[in-house]
Amino acid sequence: EVQLVESGGGLVQPGGSLRLSCAASGFTFSSYAMTWVRQAPGKGLEWVSGISGSGGSTYYADSVKGRFTISRDNSKNTLYLQMNNLRAEDTAVYYCAKASEANSGYFQHWGQGTLVTVSS
Amino acid sequence: DIQMTQSPSSLSASVGGRVTITCRASQSVRSYLNWYQQKPGKAPKLLIYTASSLQSGVPSRFSGSGSGTDFTLTINSLQPEDSATYYCQQSYSTPYTFGQGTKLEIK
Repeated sequence: EVQLVESGGGLVQPGGSLRLSCAASGFTFSSYAMTWVRQAPGKGLEWVSGISGSGGSTYYADSVKGRFTISRDNSKNTLYLQMNNLRAEDTAVYYCAKASEANSGYFQHWGQGTLVTVSS
Repeated sequence: DIQMTQSPSSLSASVGGRVTITCRASQSVRSYLNWYQQKPGKAPKLLIYTASSLQSGVPSRFSGSGSGTDFTLTINSLQPEDSATYYCQQSYSTPYTFGQGTKLEIK
């Protein structure tokens, strides 16, 4: 059974940093692209970042480019999102999701989400 | 970036009825269009991928169609559990943008 468990969310001041983790199990982690999607309170879904199975290719939304870094450790079956220079508008539930097929851009399996609150 | 626009933003329908939600892309996404259902406090659930392929385990009353820039999600024989917000998402090119969502209420 595929499982994705996010952690690392919390309260952080504007300008601060946070690293989210997503522990994966139940599938060959290195064979699948992974992604982060966020949802601000009461708002819709926003795709944030994606990474290929090998980690060699990474992609970002314009809203986070230059501030967020996606990475993965295939030996630990874990996906990361390093978030720097956080802003109030980054407040959201952050979900990690697994590509349904190797490098597809659609996502069948999702984590439960972790809440990031950026506030002073 | 490709912009995705859904309509309507919300709608209400009766049990047993049928609804259609539309999604328009700002440029062609070929058939790289996916639909998700999200209930409050839960992660999104994939319903339809590549415009018309039904995700395994999803009831056949859900169907998708379209290509290029115009797509539809149709739900037949509405059930109370279909009350949710529905999102389209293009996977043609990064950033993989979502529509703003359509909230469906079942009367």
